[in-house]
Amino acid sequence: GQQLNQSPQSMFIQEGEDVSMNCTSSSIFNTWLWYKQDPGEGPVLLIALYKAGELTSNGRLTAQFGITRKDSFLNISASIPSDVGIYFCAGSPNSGGSNYKLTFGKGTLLTVNP
Amino acid sequence: GAVVSQHPSRVICKSGTSVKIECRSLDFQATTMFWYRQFPKQSLMLMATSNEGSKATYEQGVEKDKFLINHASLTLSTLTVTSAHPEDSSFYICSARPAGAWGDTQYFGPGTRLTVL
Repeated sequence: GQQLNQSPQSMFIQEGEDVSMNCTSSSIFNTWLWYKQDPGEGPVLLIALYKAGELTSNGRLTAQFGITRKDSFLNISASIPSDVGIYFCAGSPNSGGSNYKLTFGKGTLLTVNP
Repeated sequence: GAVVSQHPSRVICKSGTSVKIECRSLDFQATTMFWYRQFPKQSLMLMATSNEGSKATYEQGVEKDKFLINHASLTLSTLTVTSAHPEDSSFYICSARPAGAWGDTQYFGPGTRLTVL
């Protein structure tokens, strides 16, 4: 089945710094999603990408759908303490296909030091 | 928009009892809902895909008689953990895909922490 490699596994940064994380897949995806999960909570959708080359922003967050359809990155600019959490990438090879299943990366744990 | 709720948020039960978890899409209809299980410091593991009005599709290794799923309406899916045992203790999260939505975006509920004594 599809595999997603998400890196880095964890990051320790100072408040105000920029952050970048990425995911690569072993096969072509037609949907890339980025979620953030706080402890004890469900994942919250940050950005959804549906088109190769697409670059989308959500406040201080920017994500891109790679041209090859096999990768995506998420950037966070000017990090703040509330950015702390686990960030997951997720993707699907389908375009509204029959089962809509997502494959998840293993997550990036972000720690922001004030 | 796209809010998904889960109830209960936490449940503690005795071994051998059954526990029902509800997942509701509050402001949209969802023909497809998903049930995940998450162990500490790990990613989400898909258990089953639930389609409104039909039987759920379980992932390999997930016992369908153990984890009963019902998706009776376009806004409600339930997961019943039958004859729960301590090894079933986990964080269960549902998600919903809006009907007619483009792409495979899923919106997640807040999760249910199950502890089996």
